[in-house]
Order: sequence, then structure tokens, then C-alpha cells
Amino acid sequence: GENVEQHPSTLSVQEGDSAVIKCTYSDSASNYFPWYKQELGKGPQLIIDIRSNVGEKKDQRIAVTLNKTAKHFSLHITETQPEDSAVYFCAARDRGSTLGRLYFGRGTQLTVWP
Amino acid sequence: DTEVTQTPKHLVMGMTNKKSLKCEQHMGHRAMYWYKQKAKKPPELMFVYSYEKLSINESVPSRFSPECPNSSLLNLHLHALQPEDSALYLCASSQSDGFSAETQYFGPGTRLLVL
Repeated sequence: GENVEQHPSTLSVQEGDSAVIKCTYSDSASNYFPWYKQELGKGPQLIIDIRSNVGEKKDQRIAVTLNKTAKHFSLHITETQPEDSAVYFCAARDRGSTLGRLYFGRGTQLTVWP
Repeated sequence: DTEVTQTPKHLVMGMTNKKSLKCEQHMGHRAMYWYKQKAKKPPELMFVYSYEKLSINESVPSRFSPECPNSSLLNLHLHALQPEDSALYLCASSQSDGFSAETQYFGPGTRLLVL
């Protein structure tokens, strides 16, 4: 099955700085890569996703890039704010799975200091 | 509307109790999922229902029993749980046309404590 690695496990940034979280995947058949934000005591919330036919996607302060050759994808958050503090999970979907099975990274605890 | 609702929000139960978790979505999604999440870990897939039929059981102990009464509802029946089953139980749903990269939407979870 797919194996997703995520780095770093913790990330601290000053408010206004940028944050980057990186993930690698093992299965070249994977075709869908969502990012979830999970605040304390809440369920994961989809913040952005990218499909394998696209190299980059942006939504206001959040962007995701995908390098299929290197099998890695990254989340970029610009102009960070304290409310961005949360655990972020990357995931990959195996195209061979018809039931949308997602493989998650281990998560990154992002802390944004005011 | 991309809302998945779960009840109860919190649940405390003894090892001899029987309880149920409930999940509901009104997005017309035909795939629904149960996940278990321990602190500081990613969600772990437990069950997948596709068109109201159980499609994936990730070797979950029989003390967890899922049920999908209709396309909008998903239940997880709990019986004779162990303290190590204490966790956040998440429900998710997706469109499930089976041929595209589908977005999974998660509910807020039920925080379960087994004493």
C-alpha cells in the first residue's frame, strides 16, 4: 500500500512569516492529495487539495504544490496568523482504490506566535 | 453545505456497557467511513460503507459493529470495549462515484472514554 511521510513533525513560526510542510508518497499511482487542518477537539477540516493533473493550486494564503516526478507535495501558508495554529495532515489517495482510501502522514503541529 | 454531524460529542462508558455513535450527512454522498484517532496520531480507517453496503473492514474487533440504515446515516455500535479503545471516533463521507479523486469530509468526532 501507499506510504506517506510528513515533515516536520512540529513547526513554530512568528506571525506574518511563511510556513511550509512537506510530504512524500511512495505509490506513483496516487492521484489525489488533500490537506487537512485539525484544531484541538475538532475533526479534520479540508483546507486544500490537488489532483495529479495539476502542479500547483492556490487559495488565498494557502497553496499546495505537487511534484509527481519526485513524488512529493507541499503546503505553503503565507502571512501566518495565530488562528493557523493547529495540526496539519497531508494524505494521498491510491488510484487503485475505488473506495477513496486515504493514506495519512503523521501530522505537523504548527504553532504561530503573535 | 459540506457538513457531517456526529452525536454524541462526548461519551463515557464502562467496559460492560452498550452504546452507539451516530453520524449523519445530507450531501447525497454514497460512501461513509468510520475512523479512530488517538492523540497526536493521524486518523486510522476502521470501516467503509459504499451504497449502504460494508465494503471495507480493517480487521476491527467485533466489539465494534457498524450499521448503515440508509444513505444518510451511519452508526457504530459499541459493546464490551476496553480502556485502550478510548479515542476520538470520526465519521467521514465522500461522493463515491469510485472513479475520481474524491474529497472526504469529516465530522467533528465523538470523544470516547472507556473506564
